[in-house]
Amino acid sequence: DTEVTQTPKHLVMGMTNKKSLKCEQHMGHRAMYWYKQKAKKPPELMFVYSYEKLSINESVPSRFSPECPNSSLLNLHLHALQPEDSALYLCASMGQNDEKLFFGSGTQLSVL
Amino acid sequence: AQTVTQSQPEMSVQEAETVTLSCTYDTSESDYYLFWYKQPPSRQMILVIRQEAYKQQNATENRFSVNFQKAAKSFSLKISDSQLGDAAMYFCAYRSANTGNQFYFGTGTSLTVIP
Repeated sequence: DTEVTQTPKHLVMGMTNKKSLKCEQHMGHRAMYWYKQKAKKPPELMFVYSYEKLSINESVPSRFSPECPNSSLLNLHLHALQPEDSALYLCASMGQNDEKLFFGSGTQLSVL
Repeated sequence: AQTVTQSQPEMSVQEAETVTLSCTYDTSESDYYLFWYKQPPSRQMILVIRQEAYKQQNATENRFSVNFQKAAKSFSLKISDSQLGDAAMYFCAYRSANTGNQFYFGTGTSLTVIP
């Protein structure tokens, strides 16, 4: 299994809603990432987990809350989002002996 | 933070022709990795090719090859025999071999393939 699986693929939420994005990989990778991407722009790093510990937080607003329950799973909890948070949210992972990122297909988020 | 620059926001190529996408980067490190990722309209990020800085030989993957010039800090991607399926955003990326897990992406080049 060489995939990173993200659910849901699409999400529409209001500014008062609470929702979660889920990411799963079964490649034994120990680093997992959340990126935010606007159309025609590069991915912007949000969080990195290394060995299930948060190692990088790129000054992301607290309305985004990451969680790594185990080595295969990464969640992003969303609360009180703003319309400008609408974007594609990409999850990625990297193995210890592998220098490249494996990306999921993303969650397209719309905040109304 | 490292800087990765893609100076061509948009490029176009005739089907079956060859196109070269440019990428330069700024680093003081000697050991690092460089990547080209492709993002088609489906928005799935796909690794096209990877280069280790310690290797002098340029990486090649089928119709995709790179011209890696370490001293000039240049890492261009050549696509030969362009196909309609090559139409996508292409991102150049850098990662240090020594300092952490962070990847630095360029701003991207949008490639159009003309039938």
